[in-house]
Amino acid sequence: DIQMTQSPSSLSASVGDRVTITCRASQSIRSYLNWYQQRPGIAPKLLIFATSNLQSGVPSRFSGSGSGTDFTLTISSLQPEDFATYYCQQSWSAQFTFGQGTRLEIK
Amino acid sequence: EVQLVQSGAAVKKPGESLKISCKSSGHIFTSDWIAWVRHTPGKGLEWMGSIYPRDSDTRYSPSFQGQVTISADKSITTAYLQWSSLKASDTAMYYCARQDVRLGSYFFDYWGQGTLVTVSS
Repeated sequence: DIQMTQSPSSLSASVGDRVTITCRASQSIRSYLNWYQQRPGIAPKLLIFATSNLQSGVPSRFSGSGSGTDFTLTISSLQPEDFATYYCQQSWSAQFTFGQGTRLEIK
Repeated sequence: EVQLVQSGAAVKKPGESLKISCKSSGHIFTSDWIAWVRHTPGKGLEWMGSIYPRDSDTRYSPSFQGQVTISADKSITTAYLQWSSLKASDTAMYYCARQDVRLGSYFFDYWGQGTLVTVSS
């Protein structure tokens, strides 16, 4: 299996901050990397697919970049509704795997 | 719009069987893969497997192969996840999701509301 490792595991930030979350794959996954947001008690929501493509309806303050093994999700100016847990997911291998999650908390 | 509606919460004892469902609408059920994803506080999200309802082609994560069975009924556009003998460690929230692909990347774009499964003696 391809292992996905996110850092940090948790992060405290304030409204208006710029935040970056990193996802590292155990081997190259080219650009087959997706990002999700999950708020407590609610199903995950797709934010970005194929590294950098914003899903319809997702605010433009979210962006993604990277290739190969190293990827980032950036939120340019945190809003109150952005405090949630974020997951990356690879689909280079047919055995899809998620990162362990990054919990973004209000400072 | 695509909608996935899951069956309600279940409370079971160890060793019991269970089958939960995911009723799909708003898309061509036989043209899309449907995935099951487990969520636990300790491990986060885990892909369990996916099924292609047109021919019931099913792929499992090695972690869940042999532990669960994924199936689908095309006539009622419903996917299922079942256990023959539950364990306490199966306690989790289970989501179904539509699996799509763009630019070669497979992702889950529409999700059910989740089914909470509690296994306790």
